[in-house]
Amino acid sequence: DGGITQSPKYLFRKEGQNVTLSCEQNLNHDAMYWYRQDPGQGLRLIYYSQIVNDFQKGDIAEGYSVSREKKESFPLTVTSAQKNPTAFYLCASSRDRGRKTEAFFGQGTRLTVV
Amino acid sequence: ILNVEQSPQSLHVQEGDSTNFTCSFPSSNFYALHWYRWETAKSPEALFVMTLNGDEKKKGRISATLNTKEGYSYLYIKGSQPEDSATYLCAFRGSQGNLIFGKGTKLSVKP
Repeated sequence: DGGITQSPKYLFRKEGQNVTLSCEQNLNHDAMYWYRQDPGQGLRLIYYSQIVNDFQKGDIAEGYSVSREKKESFPLTVTSAQKNPTAFYLCASSRDRGRKTEAFFGQGTRLTVV
Repeated sequence: ILNVEQSPQSLHVQEGDSTNFTCSFPSSNFYALHWYRWETAKSPEALFVMTLNGDEKKKGRISATLNTKEGYSYLYIKGSQPEDSATYLCAFRGSQGNLIFGKGTKLSVKP
């Protein structure tokens, strides 16, 4: 089945450690996005990529890094520089940057840093 | 930082009531306006993507309108049902390709 897979669903890390969240899609979509959700907040854009080997910072990119070496993969690394990493992370993709293309979402990863 | 505002933050209605929510967004660099429905324990799913000023979209009992000149969109639900309970998100797509979400409106429909 086509879709977006995020793994793992729950992730625990010790403070000071980098952690990488996986996002894979088999929809042949060009664009991919990473969002963060905190209680009482909406989805805030961390990074987005419109094409392989290219990505742009969103509103809250500090403390995060991404890569887009393959069309189907857009991993997000939460570095030790991210001050409040505990949150729910959602990955999304869309066919292209065209006007009428909707986004499709993964199931999310809940990261807890202790 | 682009600001996408949604109101109200939450809404409680009785089954059969009709309701509507508002999304306001920047009117510059507008590319498209999306509406998504996010049910608990599921992923957000697209309801509508609108691009032109004056666009109206309808899917069953749910419809949406778009005013790009003044920067707002309305989502209407006619005859709410308990299965409509969810968080409704709007998202602004800018010309740079970014997709910026509002905080959502959480709808609860009581039987």
